[in-house]
Amino acid sequence: EPEVTQTPSHQVTQMGQEVILRCVPISNHLYFYWYRQILGQKVEFLVSFYNNEISEKSEIFDDQFSVERPDGSNFTLKIRSTKLEDSAMYFCASSELQPGGKLFFGSGTQLSVL
Amino acid sequence: EDKVVQSPLSLVVHEGDTVTLNCSYEVTNFRSLLWYKQEKKAPTFLFMLTSSGIEKKSGRLSSILDKKELFSILNITATQTGDSAVYLCAVEETSGSRLTFGEGTQLTVNP
Repeated sequence: EPEVTQTPSHQVTQMGQEVILRCVPISNHLYFYWYRQILGQKVEFLVSFYNNEISEKSEIFDDQFSVERPDGSNFTLKIRSTKLEDSAMYFCASSELQPGGKLFFGSGTQLSVL
Repeated sequence: EDKVVQSPLSLVVHEGDTVTLNCSYEVTNFRSLLWYKQEKKAPTFLFMLTSSGIEKKSGRLSSILDKKELFSILNITATQTGDSAVYLCAVEETSGSRLTFGEGTQLTVNP
């Protein structure tokens, strides 16, 4: 069964550094998302992306964050100048034909900011 | 602000028991309610519900939505240890693409 692939599975960084989290969505999917889950808290929406542009973003997704689809298969989340509170599990997801609805999630990248 | 509240937050049962997980929601322009199972990392899709009163079934799992009372239940019959997971409820609005998740119910099924 096709799946969403995320790399790396774990990322440790120093406060103030930039990180790039990578995702390969399912190949025929058109909508891409990033969600995060801080330990012990709810899964939170960050951003959705369609047709090479952001279609919706949350209040969390400020200028520190950016997303890109640099080629036909990868979808990345860049976090600049990381803060301690950015430590979380970051999930990439994709959906086939419509925004939202049945999302397929990757296994996540556990980001630890020290 | 959209709100999704799940109960109970955790539940411990024995194999063979039947469990009912609850999800209530407040959302401005409802489109759908979804259930996901989160075992170790990635949430995996279980059901999407858009209409009241129509039960969705998959094996021992079933779910139903009540749009008047703004809640959904997820039933698991004849539970197995492999059902141990966090079950997430999420709602989606017509106006956007985000899912708003509840806190999840941690289900533990003991042999």
